[in-house]
Amino acid sequence: AQSVTQLDSQVPVFEEAPVELRCNYSSSVSVYLFWYVQYPNQGLQLLLKYLSGSTLVKGINGFEAEFNKSQTSFHLRKPSVHISDTAEYFCAVGGDTGRRALTFGSGTRLQVQP
Amino acid sequence: GAGVSQSPSNKVTEKGKDVELRCDPISGHTALYWYRQSLGQGLEFLIYFQGNSAPDKSGLPSDRFSAERTGGSVSTLTIQRTQQEDSAVYLCASSLGTAWDEQYFGPGTRLTVT
Repeated sequence: AQSVTQLDSQVPVFEEAPVELRCNYSSSVSVYLFWYVQYPNQGLQLLLKYLSGSTLVKGINGFEAEFNKSQTSFHLRKPSVHISDTAEYFCAVGGDTGRRALTFGSGTRLQVQP
Repeated sequence: GAGVSQSPSNKVTEKGKDVELRCDPISGHTALYWYRQSLGQGLEFLIYFQGNSAPDKSGLPSDRFSAERTGGSVSTLTIQRTQQEDSAVYLCASSLGTAWDEQYFGPGTRLTVT
């Protein structure tokens, strides 16, 4: 079985400051890792994903994440946030043998303040 | 192009009634997923379709929940004898069907059971 832990339910940050949203996973098989964003009153949108290869993954809107196998982490970072980045961010893991479903974390609400 | 659409956007029903939720995936997407987003619970996988068959229905919480997909396109999630704990946002996603490709999410149906 796989699981995802997002340690921070809310992260307040000032505009133009850097941010890191933490994600740790648990899995006994190879993993595929994803970050999705949900803007208010909208559906989920893929930010980035790690399937294989380089452990540093760049996504849309200036976000990036680093896969760290030894620490079982996939933290999301952005060097300078904007008001428009205010949203709920979900980390997800896939790869469970024979399954195509994603297992999502409980989400982190990023609140960017002016 | 058109994204994933879901209907209705909101549904209020009385406890014990049956409800049907509809999902129209992106044209050409062979894989379709249903998830449930409950307050404080994150997203839970319900069922996965590849074409018209459902190789993974392990997330359906009880036999009151069922889903079908016809013509490799539209899917309907049916909840019989609704309970208050069924209140949640039901999300549908579709993808091309190759392994671990991006899942595109619809806006969801908010179900409230009174």
